[in-house]
Amino acid sequence: AQSVTQLGSHVSVSEGALVLLRCNYSSSVPPYLFWYVQYPNQGLQLLLKYTSAATLVKGINGFEAEFKKSETSFHLTKPSAHMSDAAEYFCAVSAPSNAGNMLTFGGGTRLMVKP
Amino acid sequence: DTEVTQTPKHLVMGMTNKKSLKCEQHMGHRAMYWYKQKAKKPPELMFVYSYEKLSINESVPSRFSPECPNSSLLNLHLHALQPEDSALYLCASSRPGQDNSPLHFGNGTRLTVT
Repeated sequence: AQSVTQLGSHVSVSEGALVLLRCNYSSSVPPYLFWYVQYPNQGLQLLLKYTSAATLVKGINGFEAEFKKSETSFHLTKPSAHMSDAAEYFCAVSAPSNAGNMLTFGGGTRLMVKP
Repeated sequence: DTEVTQTPKHLVMGMTNKKSLKCEQHMGHRAMYWYKQKAKKPPELMFVYSYEKLSINESVPSRFSPECPNSSLLNLHLHALQPEDSALYLCASSRPGQDNSPLHFGNGTRLTVT
């Protein structure tokens, strides 16, 4: 079974600082990996997804993630945090089939940005 | 603006009430999903419809009854709920199949059972 683990349920950074949110996956096959963001009282918005075409994936809002097979990781980064980045971030792995693309989420990381 | 629309945004219901949550998408996606999200937790899969047929039921209690009237609409009928069913209910859609098609989520219905 595929799974993802997010290290750190809470991360706090200062505005302008580097953001690093950690995600490790467990999969016996090449995984389909995603990062989603959830702002308060909203649904989940796709930040980026991993495709086998490139190990460095660029997403929306200046975020990017690097797929490292040797470390089974897909960490999310942003060079400079903005106050508007404060939200809950979920790493997820997909098991696609004709029955649907079932997402399994990590536990989530709440990002807090200090002025 | 989200491409998956859920109504109502908020719902308060008693344990003896019957209510329905609605979800609509016009992206031509043939897979639609219901997720339940408790506070400070990740979403948990409840049901999946693929090509308008129920393909996955994650052992959800029968007081939750999904329905997919057509390829654009997904309903979740609620009856005799318990207070612990209070949560954010999220609808999502995607292209089913063997690719990494992401799920597109609505903004959810915040359900409170009294």
